[in-house]
Amino acid sequence: DAGITQSPRYKITETGRQVTLMCHQTWSHSYMFWYRQDLGHGLRLIYYSAAADITDKGEVPDGYVVSRSKTENFPLTLESATRSQTSVYFCASSDPGQPDGYTFGSGTRLTVV
Amino acid sequence: GEDVEQSLFLSVREGDSSVINCTYTDSSSTYLYWYKQEPGAGLQLLTYIFSNMDMKQDQRLTVLLNKKDKHLSLRIADTQTGDSAIYFCAVRYSSASKIIFGSGTRLSIRP
Repeated sequence: DAGITQSPRYKITETGRQVTLMCHQTWSHSYMFWYRQDLGHGLRLIYYSAAADITDKGEVPDGYVVSRSKTENFPLTLESATRSQTSVYFCASSDPGQPDGYTFGSGTRLTVV
Repeated sequence: GEDVEQSLFLSVREGDSSVINCTYTDSSSTYLYWYKQEPGAGLQLLTYIFSNMDMKQDQRLTVLLNKKDKHLSLRIADTQTGDSAIYFCAVRYSSASKIIFGSGTRLSIRP
């Protein structure tokens, strides 16, 4: 099915561990984004990518790493998880030539204990 | 700078109209969006308006844009319990492929 999928849906990890959140889209959208959503902060942009092998920092990139070797995948890695990274993470994609904005995944709820 | 602001909460009675407001700072907007987020779900595009339009209507939804005042609103007619959600205003600017999101307005419906 066409769409944007995130995995896992829920994840509990320990402080200091590395964890990777996956995002896959089937539209061949050039742009992909990672956001985190926390109470009182709305959506905050972590990283984004304009195309394969092109990534750029957003508002809150510290502690996160991204890669984009293929257009359809945009994994987000927490190199050494901290409790402050407990959040809901959303991936999104867009075709900047189209007016209909971003398409969001269903989110990954990450808890760091 | 680019900033989008919304009030955090709105409570309306079932059957009444809901009006969610949004203001933005940069006048070089191209498209303006309303997204809906239901509990435990991602953001879903509700509607969008091109910046040269004043109004767009889609069934129970009416979007009004006052470009002079940099003010966007979403009116939901005959509000139902299923409209309970967080509504995000978002603005795309001409120079960027990124969209700037507001903090979201939580709409609650009382009987």
